[in-house]
Parts: sequence; C-alpha cells; structure tokens
Amino acid sequence: QKEVEQNSGPLSVPEGAIASLNCTYSDRGSQSFFWYRQYSGKSPELIMSIYSNGDKEDGRFTAQLNKASQYVSLLIRDSQPSDSATYLCAVNIITNFGNEKLTFGTGTRLTIIP
Amino acid sequence: DAGVTQSPTHLIKTRGQQVTLRCSPISGHKSVSWYQQVLGQGPQFIFQYYEKEERGRGNFPDRFSARQFPNYSSELNVNALLLGDSALYLCASSLVDSLNQPQHFGDGTRLSIL
Repeated sequence: QKEVEQNSGPLSVPEGAIASLNCTYSDRGSQSFFWYRQYSGKSPELIMSIYSNGDKEDGRFTAQLNKASQYVSLLIRDSQPSDSATYLCAVNIITNFGNEKLTFGTGTRLTIIP
Repeated sequence: DAGVTQSPTHLIKTRGQQVTLRCSPISGHKSVSWYQQVLGQGPQFIFQYYEKEERGRGNFPDRFSARQFPNYSSELNVNALLLGDSALYLCASSLVDSLNQPQHFGDGTRLSIL
C-alpha cells in the first residue's frame, strides 16, 4: 500500500461546477495534511493545510479531513479554467526512525472545460 | 520579500558526473528540505536540514548528500549520476523544524542526465 494515494486522473469538470479531489493515507498517526497546486513546468504552491477532523474553507476551496477513515479531500467550487493543474496531496509522516518526512501522492490532473 | 531561490534553473550532465544544486530559503526561514520530482510523479522527500543539522532523510542512496550553511542556505550534491537521476529538484523552506508547517517551494532545478 502506498503511503499517500491519489487518483491520477485526468479529471475533467465543466466550468462553474464543483471539482472533488480525493486522497487516502496509510499512517494512522499522521497529523498534518496539505494540498498543493502545480501548474505544468512550475513548482508546487500551497493551497490549503488542515490538521483537525472536519472542513476548512478558504474562498472557493474546502479541505475535508477524516482521520478515522484516513481520508482527505479538496473541493473546488465554481471551477475556473485557471484551476486546471495537477493537485498534490501531501502528508507529514513520522518514520520508523522517529523523524518526519513530507510524503506526496502522485497528483491528480484536473482540467476545467470552458 | 524574495521567495525560495534555487540555482541553476537548468543543468545538463552526463552519467558518472557530479552535480551541486543550491538553495536560498525565504528570509528568516531556518528549515530547508529537498525533493526529487520525476515527470508524472509527486515530489519525493530527500533531506531536511534545520539549523545546519540533518533532521530527516528519505530513501535515497548515499550518492545523495546535502548540507546547510550558517546563513541557512543549502546545497544538494549528487555523485556518480545515473540516467534515473534526471528530474526536477525542488527546495522548500519553512520557519520551524517540523514538517507539520507548510513548506514554501522554490522554482526548482531541472537536471537532465545524458
């Protein structure tokens, strides 16, 4: 089982609709979760961080965390063509040696169709 | 304020050579971490340094090494380059030593091995 899993897509969503991106993780002890957006040829940029169960909203973005199910998601409302990018889920995992590593999923490629 | 800066932006090397990549963190950030991103995959954690000490290491061979300087800038060295080392190398910085806080990425160094 991969430490962080995402559906690689591509996911196509009509402009103005809600895009839903999902991520599961294997380390039950993980406490910190992040969503990054990466445009083609660019570096990742942080969209949201979430640490507690439930929803966290920031503008058109909502992150949802369910630690019992080891599941984190990102909703994008009123999707715009500029939202077309790869979305990376990242989880801070404590290794067997007691140090931390930020572990990314493979990313979901999202395309917003005008 | 300047963001994370990396140099060079592009680099071409041949198999067996050695390479040094450089990173300057955001002013005031004391933590630097390095990631390798192969095309179509998410970033993979290589190292984290905080206050010049190694705090974490990913599953990379000993050919990969890094260090952090008193001004918190960092270098990543890769010896005996292999074709598989071709990737985008990303540096990220943050204020604190824990990877529980969001990491801010530079634009990366694209390394091509011929």
